[in-house]
Amino acid sequence: QQQVRQSSQSLTVWEGETAILNCSYENSAFDYFPWYQQFPGEGPALLIAIRSVSDKKEDGRFTIFFNKREKNLSLHIKDSQPGDSATYFCAASADQGGRALIFGTGTTVSVSP
Amino acid sequence: GPKVLQIPSHQIIDMGQMVTLNCDPVSNHLYFYWYKQILGQQMEFLVNFYNGKVMEKSKLFKDQFSVERPDGSYFTLKIQPTALEDSAVYFCASSLVGEGTEVFFGKGTRLTVV
Repeated sequence: QQQVRQSSQSLTVWEGETAILNCSYENSAFDYFPWYQQFPGEGPALLIAIRSVSDKKEDGRFTIFFNKREKNLSLHIKDSQPGDSATYFCAASADQGGRALIFGTGTTVSVSP
Repeated sequence: GPKVLQIPSHQIIDMGQMVTLNCDPVSNHLYFYWYKQILGQQMEFLVNFYNGKVMEKSKLFKDQFSVERPDGSYFTLKIQPTALEDSAVYFCASSLVGEGTEVFFGKGTRLTVV
């Protein structure tokens, strides 16, 4: 059973549009949700993260919206740029420090100029 | 930012042989992890390691797998013997102790078992 699900395998947007990536999870014990960005040939890098006590986290052009009751969250990439073209992984953990991150299957975003 | 270094970047090995993947974590980090990724797809947790001990491991962390970090040296993942299905990219990661601390990943070692 997939504990963290990302609804789209791929997404194409035009430069300047907002890309919306969706994620849902099964385990109510999860309380820390990072999004990782991965470029080909590289390791994943933390983009932005949210704790379950919050419903929104913003960092520049990137915003996470979190719905604890529905067990879903989304990553919004505002004013998408070609350099944002990458694979984005939603992840979750029961954050007691050092716990395993459970990753979704990833959404590959392509931003066309 | 902080870097996790993985050596080598690519390794080809005959099925049944032993392989050791090496990781140099961020210097002041205390938690260490291995993840497995097949064909650019989902990252799957294998194991985490703290204070010289395995803290958690997944079903993917088979009996043929082992990890260690002798004092001041690399954090290693050893597979003995290797199987064809072990072909994947293995990512090492590290973090500080504490809730919500960022986990930093290396660039991965691509392991090909032939």
